[in-house]
Amino acid sequence: NAGVMQNPRHLVRRRGQEARLRCSPMKGHSHVYWYRQLPEEGLKFMVYLQKENIIDESGMPKERFSAEFPKEGPSILRIQQVVRGDSAAYFCASSPLGQGLVDTQYFGPGTRLTVL
Amino acid sequence: DAKTTQPNSMESNEEEPVHLPCNHSTISGTDYIHWYRQLPSQGPEYVIHGLTSNVNNRMASLAIAEDRKSSTLILHRATLRDAAVYYCIPDPSGNTPLVFGKGTRLSVIA
Repeated sequence: NAGVMQNPRHLVRRRGQEARLRCSPMKGHSHVYWYRQLPEEGLKFMVYLQKENIIDESGMPKERFSAEFPKEGPSILRIQQVVRGDSAAYFCASSPLGQGLVDTQYFGPGTRLTVL
Repeated sequence: DAKTTQPNSMESNEEEPVHLPCNHSTISGTDYIHWYRQLPSQGPEYVIHGLTSNVNNRMASLAIAEDRKSSTLILHRATLRDAAVYYCIPDPSGNTPLVFGKGTRLSVIA
């Protein structure tokens, strides 16, 4: 059973460009979480999605960031008009069960975004 | 969210046991205690979780204080591969957005 897959692993963008980060959850998992880790800092929650629904986006910056998890295909984290402060490692996690049921989150290897 | 306190860093010799403490004095009665670790340049990895009783799995043991205000992650024989940042996270299920603190950076010396 393949783990959580993220691509690309490394992404370089110039200021003002768009970044699209992809996450394929583990097979059978319908819950996806995105976290961001700024250099030398801890992981911060961004958004929690189920198929076709955003459940919690309380950690998402108000502008330029969006996320989706369509019925078919991977979850996408999209950052428009990137700035240098967006440079970070972005991790995706998935779990098979919903809130209220005890389980663990399985993390992908991350996408390291560098904004020049 | 319950506040946690962990040592910034710890050091262990290879093949020795390691006890990683965590204080979570404001934990709610329904929160489980989850432990994750993050190896260098990798995503976090689940280690173990428990509610009241001590727990064992192939990776580690978790000892939970009777008043649940603290817990200790025990690695029975540290290896070089165990060098990582270890996070304890009180959470009702593990399926809500996890709140990562600063964790404990464990160094293992050969």
